[in-house]
Amino acid sequence: ETGVTQTPRHLVMGMTNKKSLKCEQHLGHNAMYWYKQSAKKPLELMFVYSLEERVENNSVPSRFSPECPNSSHLFLHLHTLQPEDSALYLCASSQDPAGVEETQYFGPGTRLLVL
Amino acid sequence: QKEVEQDPGPLSVPEGAIVSLNCTYSNSAFQYFMWYRQYSRKGPELLMYTYSSGNKEDGRFTAQVDKSSKYISLFIRDSQPSDSATYLCAMRSLSGDYKLSFGAGTTVTVRA
Repeated sequence: ETGVTQTPRHLVMGMTNKKSLKCEQHLGHNAMYWYKQSAKKPLELMFVYSLEERVENNSVPSRFSPECPNSSHLFLHLHTLQPEDSALYLCASSQDPAGVEETQYFGPGTRLLVL
Repeated sequence: QKEVEQDPGPLSVPEGAIVSLNCTYSNSAFQYFMWYRQYSRKGPELLMYTYSSGNKEDGRFTAQVDKSSKYISLFIRDSQPSDSATYLCAMRSLSGDYKLSFGAGTTVTVRA
C-alpha cells in the first residue's frame, strides 16, 4: 500500500464545493490512472496519463479535471459534483501501460460523499 | 451485455473450505487474466495473473482459464478468515491496449 498513496482518505463535499484528490506513487512508474469504484459495479477507468501526457479520457464529465504535473503525482480536481458521483476513487500506477505483463498497483482510495 | 460478468455474491464459507470464484467474458481478444484482492477500506492488490488457457498455482491459490468457454476461475484451498475480502477479476488484450476490464467483484467471508 505504501507504493501508491492517496489523500484525503475520506471527503465529504457539497455540490457547490471545489476540492482536489491527490495521488503519489513511489514506484518509479511512468503511467498513472484514476478509477471510480461504485458499489457492485466494475471499476470504471476515468483517466490515464503516460509520461505525464493524458492518453485516455473515458467520456468523463467535465466536473472532473485531472492534472499530472510529473510522473509521480496525479490530481483529480472536483467541482459542482452530483450526489451520484459519491464513490471510492482509486489511483493506480504502472511501469508501461502497453507492456505485455503490465501490472497496475492501486492506492487505498478516497471515499467521496457528495451531499 | 457486460464485457466481464462476475457474481457479486456475497459468498460465506467455513474456515478450511474451498472457495470457488469465476468470471465470464465476451471479448475473445482478452489474453491476460488477473485476480485482484481488495480488503475493506483498501485498494485492490494483484493476487495472480495468467496468460491463455490452463492452470496456475501459487500456494493455496489456483487460477484457471478456459478461453474456449471464455471463463476464468480462482480457487482458494484451505480458506482462512484472512481471505475474507472482495475478489476482482480483470483482463486485457495484448494488442498494446493498456485498458483493463474488471468484473464487479465477489465478496467472500470465511467464518472461523
